[in-house]
Amino acid sequence: NAGVTQTPKFQVLKTGQSMTLQCAQDMNHNSMYWYRQDPGMGLRLIYYSASEGTTDKGEVPNGYNVSRLNKREFSLRLESAAPSQTSVYFCASSDGTGAGNTIYFGEGSWLTVV
Amino acid sequence: GDSVTQMEGPVTLSEEAFLTINCTYTATGYPSLFWYVQYPGEGLQLLLKATKADDKGSNKGFEATYRKETTSFHLEKGSVQVSDSAVYFCALRAKNRDDKIIFGKGTRLHILP
Repeated sequence: NAGVTQTPKFQVLKTGQSMTLQCAQDMNHNSMYWYRQDPGMGLRLIYYSASEGTTDKGEVPNGYNVSRLNKREFSLRLESAAPSQTSVYFCASSDGTGAGNTIYFGEGSWLTVV
Repeated sequence: GDSVTQMEGPVTLSEEAFLTINCTYTATGYPSLFWYVQYPGEGLQLLLKATKADDKGSNKGFEATYRKETTSFHLEKGSVQVSDSAVYFCALRAKNRDDKIIFGKGTRLHILP
């Protein structure tokens, strides 16, 4: 019962390095999301994808890019990491855009940029 | 725009105490409302939800009622346990809007044995 799987779980980067966070879901969901969680800020939406082949900016997209590779996979890329991007990143998916549809989360990726 | 406001924590209670975590929202129309729970080192898990006014969501002894007149969705539990220690997030998802869910900032709950 995998659900939403994201990798890596922990990563330390130097300022200016690039990396990609991978996410896959096995629930055949159309919608996928990337959030970041910072102390006192709750969860903030970075990007989302309502269906395969589409992506849209969320609340805090600057410094990130995404790729909806297929229906299962949605990756988040940091092209040039900055200390302000130190955070916990969560991938999530949902089986539709209806208001009652539940969003399911991965276990998180802890990223530190030094 | 849409928003969720929940009481700031941390909230510290003794085991078997009554719990209330307040949540109010601002939204156009009638959104669906959710409570998510995050245990240490884990992702968010859906705790309960309500999709229309006067609905009551319930799970694991927790309850919340969708109150349109007060735009509230307060989380309650009659007798908390140490295992309920976690961070609780109130959230809304608007109907007929773009595909987003809006979260509150979270309330950390600490239960003392």
